[in-house]
Amino acid sequence: GQQVMQIPQYQHVQEGEDFTTYCNSSTTLSNIQWYKQRPGGHPVFLIQLVKSGEVKKQKRLTFQFGEAKKNSSLHITATQTTDVGTYFCAGPYAGSQGNLIFGKGTKLSVKP
Amino acid sequence: DSGVTQTPKHLITATGQRVTLRCSPRSGDLSVYWYQQSLDQGLQFLIQYYNGEERAKGNILERFSAQQFPDLHSELNLSSLELGDSALYFCASSVRGTTTDTQYFGPGTRLTVL
Repeated sequence: GQQVMQIPQYQHVQEGEDFTTYCNSSTTLSNIQWYKQRPGGHPVFLIQLVKSGEVKKQKRLTFQFGEAKKNSSLHITATQTTDVGTYFCAGPYAGSQGNLIFGKGTKLSVKP
Repeated sequence: DSGVTQTPKHLITATGQRVTLRCSPRSGDLSVYWYQQSLDQGLQFLIQYYNGEERAKGNILERFSAQQFPDLHSELNLSSLELGDSALYFCASSVRGTTTDTQYFGPGTRLTVL
């Protein structure tokens, strides 16, 4: 069946280091969304990418959508302790009108 | 605060029991989604409703059922509970229920089955 995979599953960084998480889909996606879940919290929408090769930036966060629209990445420059949490990517479930399939997420911890 | 409310926040019950989780979507949102999140697991999609009707079904067990009412709030019913049903259950809502919608998640209900 359709899968959305994320690597790494866990990442521990020193504050100030960069961080990247990768998302790979078994199918071509019409769009991809990224969510962040802080420890003890709920997922919060970060961004949506729609176009092939699209790159979007939010302050220290850079999101990319692959040319084939089957992969995506989130890069954080100079991590801060506020970046701690789990980052999920999600794409449309094939043939579905409305639901998304989520990756298992990358859990980021930042050592001050 | 996402504007999505879920009750109760915590629920502790015994195996074999039945519970009901409640979700109120953001004002103006017509679609509601239910997800299950187990320890160190991602978000498993259970079911989606749009304006009172079921729109999509995921890995929802037959022991689980849901509905969306005319006032758009939704309930997830879990019956014949097993230890493995212990998890965090999230409700999310969106405006149109399409795959390009932003989903707004509620704070979740933590279910513990003893």
